[in-house]
Amino acid sequence: GAGVSQSPSNKVTEKGKDVELRCDPISGHTALYWYRQSLGQGLEFLIYFQGNSAPDKSGLPSDRFSAERTGGSVSTLTIQRTQQEDSAVYLCASSLEGGAPLHFGNGTRLTVT
Amino acid sequence: DQQVKQNSPSLSVQEGRISILNCDYTNSMFDYFLWYKKYPAEGPTFLISISSIKDKNEDGRFTVFLNKSAKHLSLHIVPSQPGDSAVYFCAATPGGYNTDKLIFGTGTRLQVFP
Repeated sequence: GAGVSQSPSNKVTEKGKDVELRCDPISGHTALYWYRQSLGQGLEFLIYFQGNSAPDKSGLPSDRFSAERTGGSVSTLTIQRTQQEDSAVYLCASSLEGGAPLHFGNGTRLTVT
Repeated sequence: DQQVKQNSPSLSVQEGRISILNCDYTNSMFDYFLWYKKYPAEGPTFLISISSIKDKNEDGRFTVFLNKSAKHLSLHIVPSQPGDSAVYFCAATPGGYNTDKLIFGTGTRLQVFP
């Protein structure tokens, strides 16, 4: 069956440019999460969507980061004016109604040069 | 402020032996714990979990132990196999099974050699 799908798998961008990362969750999963893993670090929570509720944005590191989830399915994480410290693997996960465990995609490796 | 800590960045174990991965947490509100396994270029995959009402949960070669008074959990893999070589993440949540987010540790890289 289809798992969580993320695109692109790799993205190289120049400092100052904007990037969009896409996540297709598992069909029927109402909860969607974004995490990132920087080199040598654990998985850092960024944002959480659950159904029609207001998203939990408490993990977003700055106002350059934003995310949308359209129609309760696909999500896009946008990073504006990228900085080198934004380089990381961005992981999307989904779960059924916000219950553990989370099911992760393979991530997007973002490199800001 | 690292609420979930995995103090050993790496562990090397011989095939057939036991692998023990450790995890400590600081938030006494955490009541559900999970272990994930991650291969290079792939997302983490769920391994095993434990609720705070238990002190042990077993699934095949994998056993998780929880010591609430010490705020410590461990993952035992017996016997270890070369295919177990991966990075293992401990995660915790205060919301029980119904969680809004998981808090992850920094991971332990396990290498199982023949």
